[in-house]
Amino acid sequence: AQKVTQAQTEISVVEKEDVTLDCVYETRDTTYYLFWYKQPPSGELVFLIRRNSFDEQNEISGRYSWNFQKSTSSFNFTITASQVVDSAVYFCALSERGGLTGGGNKLTFGTGTQLKVEL
Amino acid sequence: SAVISQKPSRDICQRGTSLTIQCQVDSQVTMMFWYRQQPGQSLTLIATANQGSEATYESGFVIDKFPISRPNLTFSTLTVSNMSPEDSSIYLCSVAGTHNEKLFFGSGTQLSVL
Repeated sequence: AQKVTQAQTEISVVEKEDVTLDCVYETRDTTYYLFWYKQPPSGELVFLIRRNSFDEQNEISGRYSWNFQKSTSSFNFTITASQVVDSAVYFCALSERGGLTGGGNKLTFGTGTQLKVEL
Repeated sequence: SAVISQKPSRDICQRGTSLTIQCQVDSQVTMMFWYRQQPGQSLTLIATANQGSEATYESGFVIDKFPISRPNLTFSTLTVSNMSPEDSSIYLCSVAGTHNEKLFFGSGTQLSVL
């Protein structure tokens, strides 16, 4: 069975600090996809990134970066120079293989990390 | 991208009643998904809804409790039947992107059962 663990329930930082959100996953599939979503107080889930299991290159998008390490089954998310607008719950998720290609089908979510960025 | 409209955005219901949540997508999609997010918890998939066939339910969810309709490629409904306070959650509709590269989510329905 697939499982996603986000051990950090809540993190508080001061604006401009860097923060890393941890994500560890379990799957028996050799092909899988990993995602990060942001859920601001408004409630809507915002897609941040998708990574397939064959691409271990780290990715940077502005202040966001992701470190995918297959050897440790981790897909960590770092926000550089955090801002108050980054305050949200962040979910890591894993997709099930099979059926549709691309992994954009049903997801197994972690329990989320509540990030609070204060002035 | 897909734009998903969910109605109602929130509701307060009495125990024993039922609520139907509507999900409208601005484009045709093959699969629609219904998730539940209990207070302070993660998202759990309830069922997958394909147009023209019965929904596929995940373990722990049954059709009698959560009947789903999928009359066309842009619309679906989820009914929460015979509600109890334990059903108080956010219910989210989602669809896969054009290339199945990700899921798009509606803004959710906040349900409180008294």
